[in-house]
Amino acid sequence: GAVVSQHPSRVICKSGTSVKIECRSLDFQATTMFWYRQFPKQSLMLMATSNEGSKATYEQGVEKDKFLINHASLTLSTLTVTSAHPEDSSFYICSARGGWREGLSNEQFFGPGTRLTVL
Amino acid sequence: AQSVSQHNHHVILSEAASLELGCNYSYGGTVNLFWYVQYPGQHLQLLLKYFSGDPLVKGIKGFEAEFIKSKFSFNLRKPSVQWSDTAEYFCAVIVNNDMRFGAGTRLTVKP
Repeated sequence: GAVVSQHPSRVICKSGTSVKIECRSLDFQATTMFWYRQFPKQSLMLMATSNEGSKATYEQGVEKDKFLINHASLTLSTLTVTSAHPEDSSFYICSARGGWREGLSNEQFFGPGTRLTVL
Repeated sequence: AQSVSQHNHHVILSEAASLELGCNYSYGGTVNLFWYVQYPGQHLQLLLKYFSGDPLVKGIKGFEAEFIKSKFSFNLRKPSVQWSDTAEYFCAVIVNNDMRFGAGTRLTVKP
């Protein structure tokens, strides 16, 4: 199956700093990439959806100036948490969707997640 | 509000018991339905999916799910669970090109 990687897998930072998380589709071109946030023992909450070369679409309540998403290519999307605070500590998961052209039946593939801890 | 509902927060079963996890959605129109499993410390893995056709879908590891359009349901089943099935299970729906998740059901299988 298709593989999605995330880097780093774990990051600890001080309050007020910015953190960048990378998401890559390793063996397919992702028409769309998604960023989710998962709090402990809770479900995944969609933060934003991005298509290559265009601005991300953010879910209601998600601050686009705080969570900057760049979808630079069909295989790379980045999420930057700007001026991170302790309440931003969470598990961030990216997902990439291939297309029918890729033979991936429009399926979404998930990365392993990045655990962010803001001190 | 439109949503994906998983009724069972935590299910505890003994090995060899049968499993059924409920999933209901409130979106109208065409939906694509999924069940994912998340083992402790691991990322989401697809168990099965429904796009169209036979409403009874068979997935990996002996899981199956039935899409009942009139009930807006997509319940997950397995006739005989194993200890290794202990995990978190998420129902998901793609609507308007976005995937939305239910709250998840934690399954604990006692050996």
